Amino acid sequence: DTVLTQSPALAVSPGERVTISCRASESVSTLMHWYQQKPGQQPTLLIYLASNLESGVPARFSGSGSGTDFTLTIDPVEADDTATYYCQQSWNDSLTFGSGTKLEIK
Amino acid sequence: EVQLQESGPGLVKPSQSLSLTCSVTGYSITSNYWGWIRKFPGNKMEWMGYISYSGSTSYNPSLKSRISITRDTSKNQFFLQLNSVTTEDTATYYCARETAISLVDYWGQGVMVTVSS
Repeated sequence: DTVLTQSPALAVSPGERVTISCRASESVSTLMHWYQQKPGQQPTLLIYLASNLESGVPARFSGSGSGTDFTLTIDPVEADDTATYYCQQSWNDSLTFGSGTKLEIK
Repeated sequence: EVQLQESGPGLVKPSQSLSLTCSVTGYSITSNYWGWIRKFPGNKMEWMGYISYSGSTSYNPSLKSRISITRDTSKNQFFLQLNSVTTEDTATYYCARETAISLVDYWGQGVMVTVSS
């Protein structure tokens, strides 16, 4: 399985820029996607194929990367962005998710 | 609008089978891929498998001996059966729609299943 590694938690103030990283144990090309999960809710798709913004998602969110290193950027951060963010690869037939990065807004 | 809704028992005894239903509205399950994903306490997410528009299936190798995903196209529902459950199968189970590039664009609200005697 392709293992995806994320930092466990971040804390930032509203208005700041935050980057959330995801490192894959092998190259996944650009077959990387990002989800946001707010407490008590199901995940929602933010970014697909590494850098494409899903329809309806604010332009404050952006994604970059290819191969093994990927980044989700939120700029500027708002209080409503409090959530856990997951990366997910679809390079392999068996999809895998990162462990999630919990974002706290101070 | 595509909507998915899980249903099933919230408590299952060890060694028994876990059975869940996903009811889909707003889209036919004879298109796309329809899968199950679970989130364990502590936030780890695991893809379990899917059933395709044609009825073919793909499973996570770690579950292959215990899992079955089936469907009823007349009711626009698909189903999860996980056999021989243990306490380690305690999780929130989500049904989901996968696209051809294997991302998830629609999720159900999730159902929490506890395995306990």
